[in-house]
Amino acid sequence: EAGVAQSPRYKIIEKRQSVAFWCNPISGHATLYWYQQILGQGPKLLIQFQNNGVVDDSQLPKDRFSAERLKGVDSTLKIQPAKLEDSAVYLCASSLDATDTQYFGPGTRLTVL
Amino acid sequence: AQSVTQLDSQVPVFEEAPVELRCNYSSSVSVYLFWYVQYPNQGLQLLLKYLSGSTLVKGINGFEAEFNKSQTSFHLRKPSVHISDTAEYFCAVNHGSSNTGKLIFGQGTTLQVKP
Repeated sequence: EAGVAQSPRYKIIEKRQSVAFWCNPISGHATLYWYQQILGQGPKLLIQFQNNGVVDDSQLPKDRFSAERLKGVDSTLKIQPAKLEDSAVYLCASSLDATDTQYFGPGTRLTVL
Repeated sequence: AQSVTQLDSQVPVFEEAPVELRCNYSSSVSVYLFWYVQYPNQGLQLLLKYLSGSTLVKGINGFEAEFNKSQTSFHLRKPSVHISDTAEYFCAVNHGSSNTGKLIFGQGTTLQVKP
């Protein structure tokens, strides 16, 4: 069974530019999560989807971050404009439902210069 | 609000020695506790979880953890470590009174296994 796929794996941009990350969850998984992991810290949940609806986005900086999961499968996370403090690894995870084990992708490492 | 504290940022240990990675949590409601492992340049992988029932939880790769409600702890243990156990370990608690999937992670403990 294929795992959670993310692309790109690495991205370097300058501040004030925009960037987008893509996630393809495990087939059949209804719940999808985006986490931000700053160097030396644990992952922090940014947004949680159940199918194509948002369950929790309380920690998403909505002035610059946006995410969508239009057809309840793939998801994109966008940052516009990026700031230096957005440098981090962005992890996508999925689970059958919210109570089930979360499976993580390899992450996208973003460097903002 | 729930929170998680991992008491050691780095734990060096020799191969075949036992190890304990410490985790304390703060919560005023029922807790669901997790340990994840992250190998270099990889995503997180679930080692074990406590939802209810027996306080001693066994996971993959020979790891186990014990839920101690009175001490608000969920320490991870392995009786004999291997070089391949070198990784970052994260303790996490579920936010809220039910298992909603919203996890709050600790800052991580780097386990360094030396030959």
